[in-house]
Amino acid sequence: DVVMTQSPLSLPVTLGQPASISCRSSQSLVHSDGNTYLNWFQQRPGQSPRRLIYKVSNRDSGVPDRFSGSGSGTDFTLKISRVEAEDVGVYYCMQGTHWPSWTFGQGTKVEIK
Amino acid sequence: EVQLVESGGGLVQPGGSLRLSCAASGFTVSSNYMSWVRQAPGKGLEWVSVIYSGGSTYYADSVKGRFTISRDNSKNTLYLQMNSLRAEDTAVYYCADGELFYWGQGTLVTVSS
Repeated sequence: DVVMTQSPLSLPVTLGQPASISCRSSQSLVHSDGNTYLNWFQQRPGQSPRRLIYKVSNRDSGVPDRFSGSGSGTDFTLKISRVEAEDVGVYYCMQGTHWPSWTFGQGTKVEIK
Repeated sequence: EVQLVESGGGLVQPGGSLRLSCAASGFTVSSNYMSWVRQAPGKGLEWVSVIYSGGSTYYADSVKGRFTISRDNSKNTLYLQMNSLRAEDTAVYYCADGELFYWGQGTLVTVSS
C-alpha cells in the first residue's frame, strides 16, 4: 500500500499568519492517465470531513482562496495564506491514484497560538 | 441539495454483526461510485470500501472477507454489512460519494463486551 506521511502533525499558528502542511507519498502519485489524484480534506472539531482540494491544486466550490495546493510526484503541500479562526481543525491528504486502496495521511492538527 | 444520512450504528459484542445504512437524497447512489470511510476515536481517517456504478466492490485489507458493501437502487441507499466484528472496528463510519466530496454525518460503531 502507498504510505502518506504528513508533517508537521501539530501546527500552532498565529491568526493572520500563513501555514503550510507537507504530504509525502511512498510512491509516485502520477496515474497512468496523466492525472495526480492527491486530495486535501479539512475536519473541523465535531464535524465530518470536507474536501478542500482535488487533483493537487483544484479548489472545491466554496473553499476560500486562502487555501492552495501544490506539488508533484511524491511531494505535496497545502498552504493557508492567512489563517482564520474557522481554519482550526485537522487536515488530511489522501491519495486516490493507487486505487482501489485509497490512503490518508495521519492528519495535521492546526490550532491557534 | 445532496444529503447522505447514515444509520445502524451501535454497541455490538466482539464476533457480532451490524448493518449500516446510508440513505441518499438529491443524489443517485446507483449512478455514482460510493465509499465507506471510518475514523476510530481520536484517530485519523481510514478508507474501508467502495462500490462502483457497475457493481464492482473493493475493500481495505483490514476488513476484507468480513465486510460487504452493497446498495439498493430502489431505496437509493448504500449499505455496509459488517460481520465478525473486532474491537479495532470501533469507529465512526462515514458514507461518502466516490469522489469524497459529499459526506454523511457518520454513525458510531462500538465493538465491546
